[in-house]
Amino acid sequence: GEDVEQSLFLSVREGDSSVINCTYTDSSSTYLYWYKQEPGAGLQLLTYIFSNMDMKQDQRLTVLLNKKDKHLSLRIADTQTGDSAIYFCAETLWGGSQGNLIFGKGTKLSVKP
Amino acid sequence: DSGVTQTPKHLITATGQRVTLRCSPRSGDLSVYWYQQSLDQGLQFLIQYYNGEERAKGNILERFSAQQFPDLHSELNLSSLELGDSALYFCASSVAHTNSPLHFGNGTRLTVT
Repeated sequence: GEDVEQSLFLSVREGDSSVINCTYTDSSSTYLYWYKQEPGAGLQLLTYIFSNMDMKQDQRLTVLLNKKDKHLSLRIADTQTGDSAIYFCAETLWGGSQGNLIFGKGTKLSVKP
Repeated sequence: DSGVTQTPKHLITATGQRVTLRCSPRSGDLSVYWYQQSLDQGLQFLIQYYNGEERAKGNILERFSAQQFPDLHSELNLSSLELGDSALYFCASSVAHTNSPLHFGNGTRLTVT
């Protein structure tokens, strides 16, 4: 079955690194995504990784994928107060005829000054 | 700005009523998706259209229906509204019908009283 799990809360200090973790159950996933949702706003696509990759870096963001353990993480370097938001992990399915994403419940990141 | 436009931003209506939510996808995107976000259920996929045709159905109630028009904009119709239908409704679009990132609008907040 399809299920995406995330811890609900993470609190860090400004300037520290944040690591948000996600596990998924469907071994046939092809793309895995990270979205950010700020209060009152829609979901902003942050980054995504294809399942044949182990790592992807984009400025302050690093995505790590452990396909064996079905574990995905998002590291935010030098976390700022503006990074406070809810972060959603999502997967899509290989060979599917449709493109909807399966989302986790989101991790609320709080950044303390 | 994702390029996906949703109207209205807020909607307040009474139980038993019917409302229509509207979505314009990003220029060039052929797929439109509707999601419902509530505190208890998280992000639930409702339905996907691709180039005017229904592509996939998720947890969409029979009281809800959608369509995608020749100009690719989409409407989500919610009828016989119940208090439990109060939620944030998101539209997203993608260029292809599968394996492409979704870009989300800012949502329509529906309150049923």
